[in-house]
Amino acid sequence: GAVVSQHPSWVICKSGTSVKIECRSLDFQATTMFWYRQFPKQSLMLMATSNEGSKATYEQGVEKDKFLINHASLTLSTLTVTSAHPEDSSFYICSARDLRTSGRGNIQYFGAGTRLSVL
Amino acid sequence: AQKITQTQPGMFVQEKEAVTLDCTYDTSDPSYGLFWYKQPSSGEMIFLIYQGSYDQQNATEGRYSLNFQKARKSANLVISASQLGDSAMYFCAMSYYGNNRLAFGKGNQVVVIP
Repeated sequence: GAVVSQHPSWVICKSGTSVKIECRSLDFQATTMFWYRQFPKQSLMLMATSNEGSKATYEQGVEKDKFLINHASLTLSTLTVTSAHPEDSSFYICSARDLRTSGRGNIQYFGAGTRLSVL
Repeated sequence: AQKITQTQPGMFVQEKEAVTLDCTYDTSDPSYGLFWYKQPSSGEMIFLIYQGSYDQQNATEGRYSLNFQKARKSANLVISASQLGDSAMYFCAMSYYGNNRLAFGKGNQVVVIP
């Protein structure tokens, strides 16, 4: 399968600071990437769809000013959690859609995730 | 709206035995894709297998196979010859063609015991 790298894997920050998470497709180009959030013992919740060269599409209830997404190249999308607060603490995971697998539903390959703890 | 249902409680499986994980879905769209992902305790989501709604045959990928029953709207994952490394959460997901947004079920916890 394809490789998606996510960095950092773990971050602790103070309340009020901003945190940037990077998602890179290493061996393929991804015009579309996705950002998910996962609470303990729960499923993945789609936050937004990141489109290369255009604005991200946010799911209902997700604050776009709080979670800034930039997809400046075909291999990199970033999620910035602005003015983070303890309630933003969560596991954030990205995926990249691999169009080489169009015959198999354009498989989404995932990064390893980022555990964010806001103090 | 898409809806994926995984209702089995946590499962203990003997090493080398097979295990079946249930997944049912609800959609009125004729074109869709079904996916299974594995999430070990480390957190990464690992793609396992894909089944298209128009595929005539059940998908297989190594020890993973998908029992696709379209009329029942079920897409059960079968893991054969379980290994200790198979201990993880398993998520069923669905996407519409042309959309590619994935809707996930709540997951099934599997623990393989020696």
